[in-house]
Amino acid sequence: DTEVTQTPKHLVMGMTNKKSLKCEQHMGHRAMYWYKQKAKKPPELMFVYSYEKLSINESVPSRFSPECPNSSLLNLHLHALQPEDSALYLCASSQSGGPQHFGDGTRLSIL
Amino acid sequence: DAKTTQPNSMESNEEEPVHLPCNHSTISGTDYIHWYRQLPSQGPEYVIHGLTSNVNNRMASLAIAEDRKSSTLILHRATLRDAAVYYCILRLTGNQFYFGTGTSLTVIP
Repeated sequence: DTEVTQTPKHLVMGMTNKKSLKCEQHMGHRAMYWYKQKAKKPPELMFVYSYEKLSINESVPSRFSPECPNSSLLNLHLHALQPEDSALYLCASSQSGGPQHFGDGTRLSIL
Repeated sequence: DAKTTQPNSMESNEEEPVHLPCNHSTISGTDYIHWYRQLPSQGPEYVIHGLTSNVNNRMASLAIAEDRKSSTLILHRATLRDAAVYYCILRLTGNQFYFGTGTSLTVIP
């Protein structure tokens, strides 16, 4: 069982929809991450939160909006996405500098 | 630019050792080397990490070159459950993790 829980597991949305991806961990980790993974490619870092503050944004388009409401939760708000945004979105958490624990991801399809 | 480079695929016979190489020629002195593996339909799973010295844990060993420009993940006895994509990753300061292209390991019974 994964210690990082992502919901939903699958999401299909139109280009004009607004949706959110959720990630939760209860390991007391203070760093949380969003990655995007296309098929047969490695995960690409999108955002890093440290102590609930955004510390890294890898030049991600503004149609992706992260939020960290508390130390256990991480959201990714989606709006006006494009078909090329279809991918597996992975959340991870870690102690600062320590190994990451990943969820199993949300598979997103944009119609 | 890719921070790490790995062979696309490798094969190993079951119960034999496997050496998975990784090149990271642009590594800086404070970058850690991490290895993760990923099974289909799952998130990556931590395997091992190190900075300068060789490291051992229950899953694997990590051998780091003296100049730190390359490293090798060693699985001592491959099993069928070790078939996965193995990623070599650099962790920069500020919790920035950058995945390499990955090596798909096939274990032959």
